Amino acid sequence: AQSVTQPDIHITVSEGASLELRCNYSYGATPYLFWYVQSPGQGLQLLLKYFSGDTLVQGIKGFEAEFKRSQSSFNLRKPSVHWSDAAEYFCAVGAGNSGYALNFGKGTSLLVTP
Amino acid sequence: KAGVTQTPRYLIKTRGQQVTLSCSPISGHRSVSWYQQTPGQGLQFLFEYFSETQRNKGNFPGRFSGRQFSNSRSEMNVSTLELGDSALYLCASSLRGDNTEAFFGQGTRLTVV
Repeated sequence: AQSVTQPDIHITVSEGASLELRCNYSYGATPYLFWYVQSPGQGLQLLLKYFSGDTLVQGIKGFEAEFKRSQSSFNLRKPSVHWSDAAEYFCAVGAGNSGYALNFGKGTSLLVTP
Repeated sequence: KAGVTQTPRYLIKTRGQQVTLSCSPISGHRSVSWYQQTPGQGLQFLFEYFSETQRNKGNFPGRFSGRQFSNSRSEMNVSTLELGDSALYLCASSLRGDNTEAFFGQGTRLTVV
């Protein structure tokens, strides 16, 4: 069965510092991988996605993620964090077949300090 | 282009009652999925509809049901509400429902008292 693990429940970074949020997945084939962001009281916004091809994917708001098959990881990175990046971040895996069903990690809450 | 619209945004219901939530997908999108988000369980898949047919269902009791209309709008219904049903219910819209890209609504916050 698919599973997604986000090892860090909370992360605090200083504004301007770099960020890496970890995501590990368990899936038999090459999964479809996603990162979403959720601000308080809001829905989910897609940051980036990986289906195949180049393992380094660029997303919106300056985020990128790297797919590493050998480590079953899809970590999210940003070189310089802004205060507006404070939010909840979710990694998700999809099966790639019909009948849309994403399996989400528990999320990582990002706090940005001045 | 309008996004995914969920109504109502907030609901308070009493245990034992039933509730219906609505989701209007992005124009042209034929797939609508529903998710439940709680602090304890996180985001869990409820079901997915495509062209009025349920194609996939998560591990939820039969009290949770849904449907999709010919205009792709979807409703989900929860009967005999329990306190544990208090959650944020999110709807996601996609063109084909093949995991390429989904757009989420802002959700309906359901509180059961």
